[in-house]
Amino acid sequence: ETGVTQTPRHLVMGMTNKKSLKCEQHLGHNAMYWYKQSAKKPLELMFVYNFKEQTENNSVPSRFSPECPNSSHLFLHLHTLQPEDSALYLCASSPFSGDSSYEQYFGPGTRLTVT
Amino acid sequence: GQNIDQPTEMTATEGAIVQINCTYQTSGFNGLFWYQQHAGEAPTFLSYNVLDGLEEKGRFSSFLSRSKGYSYLLLKELQMKDSASYLCAVRDQNYQLIWGAGTKLIIKP
Repeated sequence: ETGVTQTPRHLVMGMTNKKSLKCEQHLGHNAMYWYKQSAKKPLELMFVYNFKEQTENNSVPSRFSPECPNSSHLFLHLHTLQPEDSALYLCASSPFSGDSSYEQYFGPGTRLTVT
Repeated sequence: GQNIDQPTEMTATEGAIVQINCTYQTSGFNGLFWYQQHAGEAPTFLSYNVLDGLEEKGRFSSFLSRSKGYSYLLLKELQMKDSASYLCAVRDQNYQLIWGAGTKLIIKP
C-alpha cells in the first residue's frame, strides 16, 4: 500500500447508527487531517493532528469524534448524524502542519450518505 | 472574513489553452496551492507559489501576484484527461489552508 488510504469508500447510515471512518498513511508524515467536501462548496477543515496531538478543531459538532492512535492512523467516529452531514470525507497527511511549503496528500475519500 | 474566489465552471477545447483565475482575501499569506481533483478521486497537488511570478511545470503553469491577491493556473495543449476540478487554496498567517470551491473544467473534442 502506498500513499493515503481510506475505508470504507462508501457508507450509508441511518441517523441512529454509529460508524467509523478509517484513514491510513504510508508516507511517514506527522500531520493528518479530516476534511468535509460538499458539492460546490470549499473544502471544510474539520480536525488536524500533529504528532498524534489534536491541534485544530474547527467548531465541529460533537457527533463527529476523531481519534489518532499513532502518526499513521486516523479515525472519525460518527454517531447520531443528520442528513446534512452527507458528503465526501477526505483524509490528508503532510510532513508537518506548521510549514508553509508542504503540500497535503489526500486519500480517495469516503462518500457518506445519512438517511 | 477569509475568502477564495474562482469560477464555478469553464469549458475549453482539446489542444487549446485555458486560464483558471483565483482571487483571495486572507489573514496573512504563506503560500498558494493548486490541486486537481478528478470526479470521485482524491485531490492531487499541482503547484505551489509563495513569491510573485510564474512557475512552470510541463503543460501547467501557475502565476502569483501577492499585491493583487491573485493567481492563475494555465493549462496548455489541453487533453481530455484534464477534465477535472481545479482547487485553489491559500495558507493563511496561522498556516491553515483556506480553500476555494473549485473550478470544474470541461474539455470538448
